Amino acid sequence: DIQMTQSPSSLSAPVGDRVTITCRASQSISSHLNWFQQKPGKAPKLLVFAASNLQSGVPSSFIGSGSGTEFTLTISSLQPEDFATYYCQQSYSTPFTFGPGTKVDIK
Amino acid sequence: QVQLQESGPGLVKPSQTLSLTCTVSGGSISSGNYYWSWIRQPPGKGLEWIGNINYSGSTEYNPSLESRVTMSGDTSKEQFSLKLSSVTAADTAVYYCARDHLHGSGSSYFDSWGQGILVTVSS
Repeated sequence: DIQMTQSPSSLSAPVGDRVTITCRASQSISSHLNWFQQKPGKAPKLLVFAASNLQSGVPSSFIGSGSGTEFTLTISSLQPEDFATYYCQQSYSTPFTFGPGTKVDIK
Repeated sequence: QVQLQESGPGLVKPSQTLSLTCTVSGGSISSGNYYWSWIRQPPGKGLEWIGNINYSGSTEYNPSLESRVTMSGDTSKEQFSLKLSSVTAADTAVYYCARDHLHGSGSSYFDSWGQGILVTVSS
Protein backbone atom coordinates (compact mmCIF):
# COMPACT_ATOMS: atom_id res chain seq x y z
CA ASP A 1 0.00 0.00 0.00
CA ILE A 2 1.10 3.58 -0.61
CA GLN A 3 1.50 5.42 2.69
CA MET A 4 0.50 9.07 2.87
CA THR A 5 1.82 11.49 5.47
CA GLN A 6 0.83 15.09 6.16
CA SER A 7 2.48 17.96 7.97
CA PRO A 8 1.75 19.65 10.17
CA SER A 9 -0.86 17.53 11.96
CA SER A 10 -2.47 20.74 13.17
CA LEU A 11 -1.98 24.46 12.89
CA SER A 12 -3.47 27.65 14.28
CA ALA A 13 -3.66 30.75 12.14
CA PRO A 14 -5.61 34.01 12.06
CA VAL A 15 -8.09 34.99 9.39
CA GLY A 16 -6.27 36.38 6.38
CA ASP A 17 -3.12 34.32 6.83
CA ARG A 18 -1.54 32.21 4.09
CA VAL A 19 -1.22 28.59 5.15
CA THR A 20 0.44 25.62 3.51
CA ILE A 21 -0.14 21.93 4.18
CA THR A 22 2.30 19.33 2.88
CA CYS A 23 1.46 15.78 1.84
CA ARG A 24 4.06 13.12 1.04
CA ALA A 25 3.62 9.73 -0.58
CA SER A 26 5.78 6.69 0.17
CA GLN A 27 6.41 6.26 -3.57
CA SER A 28 5.88 8.30 -6.69
CA ILE A 29 2.22 8.81 -7.51
CA SER A 30 2.72 11.19 -10.44
CA SER A 31 -0.09 13.73 -10.11
CA HIS A 32 -2.69 11.33 -8.77
CA LEU A 33 -3.33 13.31 -5.60
CA ASN A 34 -6.58 14.78 -4.31
CA TRP A 35 -7.34 17.15 -1.45
CA PHE A 36 -10.46 17.16 0.72
CA GLN A 37 -11.88 19.44 3.39
CA GLN A 38 -13.93 18.00 6.22
CA LYS A 39 -15.93 19.88 8.83
CA PRO A 40 -17.24 18.24 12.02
CA GLY A 41 -20.16 15.94 11.39
CA LYS A 42 -19.95 16.38 7.62
CA ALA A 43 -18.72 14.31 4.72
CA PRO A 44 -15.41 15.27 3.13
CA LYS A 45 -15.62 17.77 0.31
CA LEU A 46 -13.36 17.60 -2.75
CA LEU A 47 -11.23 20.72 -3.17
CA VAL A 48 -8.48 19.81 -5.63
CA PHE A 49 -8.06 16.80 -7.91
CA ALA A 50 -5.07 15.53 -9.88
CA ALA A 51 -2.74 17.63 -7.71
CA SER A 52 -3.58 21.06 -9.08
CA ASN A 53 -7.09 21.09 -10.57
CA LEU A 54 -9.61 23.12 -8.62
CA GLN A 55 -12.97 21.41 -8.24
CA SER A 56 -15.91 23.41 -9.58
CA GLY A 57 -17.29 25.83 -7.02
CA VAL A 58 -14.20 25.82 -4.80
CA PRO A 59 -12.71 29.27 -4.12
CA SER A 60 -9.55 30.15 -6.02
CA SER A 61 -7.85 30.78 -2.68
CA PHE A 62 -7.20 27.02 -2.57
CA ILE A 63 -4.11 26.14 -4.60
CA GLY A 64 -2.74 22.65 -5.08
CA SER A 65 0.69 21.83 -6.42
CA GLY A 66 3.29 19.10 -6.59
CA SER A 67 4.03 15.83 -8.30
CA GLY A 68 5.89 12.62 -7.62
CA THR A 69 6.03 12.23 -3.85
CA GLU A 70 5.56 15.75 -2.49
CA PHE A 71 2.46 17.90 -2.71
CA THR A 72 1.14 21.06 -1.11
CA LEU A 73 -2.22 22.65 -0.51
CA THR A 74 -2.05 26.38 0.03
CA ILE A 75 -4.87 28.58 1.27
CA SER A 76 -3.84 32.03 0.12
CA SER A 77 -6.01 33.97 2.58
CA LEU A 78 -7.66 32.01 5.38
CA GLN A 79 -11.36 32.69 5.78
CA PRO A 80 -13.59 31.79 8.77
CA GLU A 81 -15.26 29.02 6.75
CA ASP A 82 -11.87 27.41 6.01
CA PHE A 83 -11.34 26.17 9.55
CA ALA A 84 -11.61 22.42 9.13
CA THR A 85 -9.55 19.26 8.73
CA TYR A 86 -7.81 18.68 5.42
CA TYR A 87 -6.94 15.29 3.95
CA CYS A 88 -4.85 14.28 0.97
CA GLN A 89 -5.60 11.05 -0.90
CA GLN A 90 -3.71 9.14 -3.56
CA SER A 91 -5.58 7.66 -6.50
CA TYR A 92 -2.49 6.21 -8.20
CA SER A 93 -3.18 2.64 -7.14
CA THR A 94 -5.56 0.63 -5.02
CA PRO A 95 -6.06 0.44 -2.17
CA PHE A 96 -6.64 4.17 -2.29
CA THR A 97 -5.17 5.72 0.84
CA PHE A 98 -5.62 8.97 2.72
CA GLY A 99 -3.25 11.06 4.76
CA PRO A 100 -3.92 11.33 8.51
CA GLY A 101 -5.30 14.85 8.20
CA THR A 102 -4.30 18.40 9.13
CA LYS A 103 -6.58 20.30 11.48
CA VAL A 104 -6.69 24.04 10.86
CA ASP A 105 -7.87 26.08 13.87
CA ILE A 106 -8.51 29.74 14.51
CA LYS A 107 -5.68 31.57 16.27
CA GLN B 1 -26.59 17.18 -9.42
CA VAL B 2 -26.01 13.63 -8.22
CA GLN B 3 -26.94 12.80 -4.63
CA LEU B 4 -25.99 9.76 -2.58
CA GLN B 5 -27.76 8.50 0.53
CA GLU B 6 -26.66 5.70 2.83
CA SER B 7 -29.18 3.54 4.66
CA GLY B 8 -29.07 0.59 7.01
CA PRO B 9 -28.95 -0.40 10.68
CA GLY B 10 -27.06 1.89 13.03
CA LEU B 11 -26.32 -0.90 15.47
CA VAL B 12 -24.86 -4.32 14.68
CA LYS B 13 -23.90 -7.05 17.13
CA PRO B 14 -20.35 -8.44 17.21
CA SER B 15 -19.74 -11.35 14.82
CA GLN B 16 -22.76 -10.39 12.70
CA THR B 17 -22.83 -8.87 9.22
CA LEU B 18 -23.07 -5.15 8.61
CA SER B 19 -25.26 -4.34 5.61
CA LEU B 20 -25.58 -0.89 4.06
CA THR B 21 -27.15 0.45 0.88
CA CYS B 22 -26.35 3.60 -1.04
CA THR B 23 -29.10 5.08 -3.19
CA VAL B 24 -28.00 7.31 -6.06
CA SER B 25 -30.27 10.00 -7.41
CA GLY B 26 -29.60 12.35 -10.29
CA GLY B 27 -27.18 9.88 -11.84
CA SER B 28 -26.75 6.30 -12.96
CA ILE B 29 -24.51 3.66 -11.41
CA SER B 30 -24.20 2.08 -14.85
CA SER B 31 -22.44 5.16 -16.28
CA GLY B 32 -19.01 4.29 -17.61
CA ASN B 33 -17.50 7.48 -16.22
CA TYR B 34 -17.77 6.48 -12.58
CA TYR B 35 -16.97 3.84 -10.02
CA TRP B 36 -18.84 3.68 -6.71
CA SER B 37 -16.98 3.41 -3.44
CA TRP B 38 -17.45 2.81 0.25
CA ILE B 39 -15.22 4.70 2.68
CA ARG B 40 -15.30 4.61 6.46
CA GLN B 41 -14.11 6.80 9.30
CA PRO B 42 -13.90 5.57 12.92
CA PRO B 43 -14.94 8.24 15.43
CA GLY B 44 -12.22 10.87 15.72
CA LYS B 45 -9.96 9.12 13.21
CA GLY B 46 -9.02 9.23 9.55
CA LEU B 47 -10.53 7.87 6.36
CA GLU B 48 -10.21 4.31 5.05
CA TRP B 49 -11.23 3.19 1.55
CA ILE B 50 -13.14 -0.08 1.74
CA GLY B 51 -13.60 -0.83 -1.93
CA ASN B 52 -15.54 -0.03 -5.08
CA ILE B 53 -17.84 -1.42 -7.71
CA ASN B 54 -17.88 -0.31 -11.31
CA TYR B 55 -20.51 0.12 -14.00
CA SER B 56 -20.24 -3.53 -15.07
CA GLY B 57 -20.46 -4.87 -11.54
CA SER B 58 -16.78 -5.62 -11.12
CA THR B 59 -15.45 -5.02 -7.63
CA GLU B 60 -12.15 -4.19 -5.99
CA TYR B 61 -11.58 -4.34 -2.26
CA ASN B 62 -9.03 -3.09 0.22
CA PRO B 63 -6.84 -6.14 0.99
CA SER B 64 -7.09 -5.29 4.69
CA LEU B 65 -10.83 -6.04 4.58
CA GLU B 66 -11.14 -8.23 1.48
CA SER B 67 -11.89 -11.46 3.32
CA ARG B 68 -14.94 -9.91 4.94
CA VAL B 69 -16.31 -7.53 2.27
CA THR B 70 -18.87 -8.02 -0.47
CA MET B 71 -20.20 -5.23 -2.69
CA SER B 72 -23.00 -5.44 -5.20
CA GLY B 73 -25.09 -3.17 -7.38
CA ASP B 74 -28.72 -2.98 -8.46
CA THR B 75 -29.01 -0.86 -11.59
CA SER B 76 -32.81 -1.06 -11.60
CA LYS B 77 -32.90 0.74 -8.27
CA GLU B 78 -29.74 2.84 -8.77
CA GLN B 79 -28.33 1.35 -5.59
CA PHE B 80 -25.11 -0.29 -4.53
CA SER B 81 -24.51 -2.17 -1.32
CA LEU B 82 -21.87 -3.15 1.20
CA LYS B 83 -21.74 -6.23 3.36
CA LEU B 84 -19.04 -6.59 6.01
CA SER B 85 -19.05 -9.88 7.87
CA SER B 86 -17.78 -10.92 11.31
CA VAL B 87 -17.78 -7.39 12.63
CA THR B 88 -16.04 -6.32 15.83
CA ALA B 89 -15.92 -3.07 17.77
CA ALA B 90 -13.06 -2.00 15.48
CA ASP B 91 -15.59 -1.75 12.65
CA THR B 92 -17.51 0.99 14.46
CA ALA B 93 -17.34 3.98 12.13
CA VAL B 94 -19.20 6.44 9.97
CA TYR B 95 -19.64 4.73 6.62
CA TYR B 96 -19.76 6.88 3.50
CA CYS B 97 -20.66 6.01 -0.03
CA ALA B 98 -18.99 8.12 -2.70
CA ARG B 99 -18.81 8.51 -6.45
CA ASP B 100 -15.35 7.97 -7.91
CA HIS B 101 -15.04 10.14 -11.02
CA LEU B 102 -12.66 8.68 -13.60
CA HIS B 103 -10.40 11.47 -14.85
CA GLY B 104 -8.99 11.65 -18.35
CA SER B 105 -5.44 11.46 -17.00
CA GLY B 106 -6.06 7.96 -15.71
CA SER B 107 -6.66 9.23 -12.22
CA SER B 108 -9.88 9.44 -10.26
CA TYR B 109 -11.40 11.46 -7.47
CA PHE B 110 -14.31 11.21 -5.04
CA ASP B 111 -16.46 14.10 -6.17
CA SER B 112 -19.77 13.31 -4.51
CA TRP B 113 -20.37 11.79 -1.08
CA GLY B 114 -23.33 10.66 0.96
CA GLN B 115 -23.87 12.29 4.33
CA GLY B 116 -22.56 9.21 6.10
CA ILE B 117 -24.14 6.75 8.50
CA LEU B 118 -22.76 5.87 11.91
CA VAL B 119 -22.67 2.14 12.49
CA THR B 120 -21.89 0.99 16.01
CA VAL B 121 -20.84 -2.57 16.73
CA SER B 122 -21.97 -3.51 20.20
CA SER B 123 -23.91 -6.22 21.97
